[in-house]
Amino acid sequence: DAKTTQPPSMDCAEGRAANLPCNHSTISGNEYVYWYRQIHSQGPQYIIHGLKNNETNEMASLIITEDRKSSTLILPHATLRDTAVYYCIVRVTGNQFYFGTGTSLTVIP
Amino acid sequence: GAVVSQHPSRVICKSGTSVKIECRSLDFQATTMFWYRQFPKQSLMLMATSNEGSKATYEQGVEKDKFLINHASLTLSTLTVTSAHPEDSSFYICSAGGLAKANIQYFGAGTRLSVL
Repeated sequence: DAKTTQPPSMDCAEGRAANLPCNHSTISGNEYVYWYRQIHSQGPQYIIHGLKNNETNEMASLIITEDRKSSTLILPHATLRDTAVYYCIVRVTGNQFYFGTGTSLTVIP
Repeated sequence: GAVVSQHPSRVICKSGTSVKIECRSLDFQATTMFWYRQFPKQSLMLMATSNEGSKATYEQGVEKDKFLINHASLTLSTLTVTSAHPEDSSFYICSAGGLAKANIQYFGAGTRLSVL
């Protein structure tokens, strides 16, 4: 079962930062947080992952709270192509990913 | 990132026939691959974990005789939907992982199965 909760939908103005929250209050000390996104009728695309420290790559930044019970994915300058469903996943033992319902992000022109 | 190829992208078949879907890791070896299905407007549901050289592990409620998984090499896993029926129509997606310590999974583009 998914160990994360996310808001079902969010809107963001084009060019502005999109901040997508995720709660994972039952996360264990050695479990990573992963973010993926899925554009309609395609396979999920890896965005970023983290354990304790904040992470940044060419796509996004990941902010993890000190107690690790929540995190925020930041898309610094959202474009129309960032419209997708974003999934926050905490990997359980055995490497399986259990997807929650995700957040449907709509970037508005 | 790593590339996972899934074929075919779309298949339409008659009820009662079997359909095979292939998942290949193109530039890395994947000891473990995963199969998901996704119904319209729903999230991905993990069906099974495919381990190279051993039997797949199925999630609760997934019929192993209905969804046959073979992982014969480090770069190929196949899912066969046997005796497909209209209720099996869905979007099937595979993933492969294990590249790094954090075990990032990379996903195929998915297969749209329509059973008439």
